[in-house]
Amino acid sequence: KNEVEQSPQNLTAQEGEFITINCSYSVGISALHWLQQHPGGGIVSLFMLSSGKKKHGRLIATINIQEKHSSLHITASHPRDSAVYICAVGNGNQFYFGTGTSLTVIP
Amino acid sequence: DVKVTQSSRYLVKRTGEKVFLECVQDMDHENMFWYRQDPGLGLRLIYFSYDVKMKEKGDIPEGYSVSREKKERFSLILESASTNQTSMYLCASSTPGSAYNEQFFGPGTRLTVL
Repeated sequence: KNEVEQSPQNLTAQEGEFITINCSYSVGISALHWLQQHPGGGIVSLFMLSSGKKKHGRLIATINIQEKHSSLHITASHPRDSAVYICAVGNGNQFYFGTGTSLTVIP
Repeated sequence: DVKVTQSSRYLVKRTGEKVFLECVQDMDHENMFWYRQDPGLGLRLIYFSYDVKMKEKGDIPEGYSVSREKKERFSLILESASTNQTSMYLCASSTPGSAYNEQFFGPGTRLTVL
């Protein structure tokens, strides 16, 4: 049983498309993180959310605490957005990770 | 900028060998973590440490041990490597209360056990 479920697992989009990645979780959380992992392994943090919505450039993250659901949106997608996007939920010092969504943006 | 470094990007070892993976962070973070990442399974926590000489088991500690003698360094030890320990290993660090705080990840070590 996975505490964090992401969908879709794989996503291919044309450059310029609007992209949505979904994350549902089953545990109580203090915060939810969206992470980005490029080929080669390095992981960087994109957002930390405990409520509402955050925006950074073309990326928007939302969370609905009651529904235990978060979405990551990418507007005007670009090939450099191609990466694996990982949802992680935190409770105290413990993190639970989704298996990731592999995004490929085609020029 | 926080920097988390790992001793090797790629490592090939033989079954039964003792393997050391080193992680160093330069931001004086109290918390450090070791994860392994496998296709379809995501990141799974092996061990974490809140402070020097402190360690806690994560979800999959079997076959691993850790050492934290200095605040900046967290080592993962495979006592007797086995082929099912072939994986990507990622180290991370954060300040306390890390559910809210960002975890900073190292570049990863891709370990192959033959």
